[in-house]
Amino acid sequence: DQQVKQNSPSLSVQEGRISILNCDYTNSMFDYFLWYKKYPAEGPTFLISISSIKDKNEDGRFTVFLNKSAKHLSLHIVPSQPGDSAVYFCAAPRGDQFYFGTGTSLTVIP
Amino acid sequence: DTGVSQDPRHKITKRGQNVTFRCDPISEHNRLYWYRQTLGQGPEFLTYFQNEAQLEKSRLLSDRFSAERPKGSFSTLEIQRTEQGDSAMYLCASSLGSVQGGSYEQYFGPGTRLTVT
Repeated sequence: DQQVKQNSPSLSVQEGRISILNCDYTNSMFDYFLWYKKYPAEGPTFLISISSIKDKNEDGRFTVFLNKSAKHLSLHIVPSQPGDSAVYFCAAPRGDQFYFGTGTSLTVIP
Repeated sequence: DTGVSQDPRHKITKRGQNVTFRCDPISEHNRLYWYRQTLGQGPEFLTYFQNEAQLEKSRLLSDRFSAERPKGSFSTLEIQRTEQGDSAMYLCASSLGSVQGGSYEQYFGPGTRLTVT
């Protein structure tokens, strides 16, 4: 039962352009969402989060948007840089369990 | 380095053998999580400790799996009678939380890659 879904396994973007990574969820009880970035041979690292009381949270080049009615969130990276090339996971906690999406592999082309 | 560490980084074992992994969390973190990640999937929750108490276990955690966190510091994950389906990356994460609720931000270790032949 995949409660958090990332339907795009991969995304390629030119350096300097915007990267948009999408995430959908099915559990309406989720009230907090996180994005993690993962480089090869490393564990995921926290990137940005958003509470369900907000519809937008911004941190430098990274912005997360939340559309509760659509059960959809997106991560915008602008401008994209080659160092952003990684796998991005969205996640949501429910109780003490965390539910992760399957990840989107972002490649930023110089 | 004060991050989360895991040992070993790689483990190759034959089917039927027992394996044990270790996780050392960030020292002041009271919460510790174990996840399993297979190719093309996100981390899947296995179990969670608040200090030394194991508070939650996933249905993924069969009877062959056992986790401990003695004294609320490092944790071990043991898999008995390994099967080829156990081949995966095992990730450990820690966070600073409280009984009343705390930060959701988890800090992950580099993982232990298990290959069962």
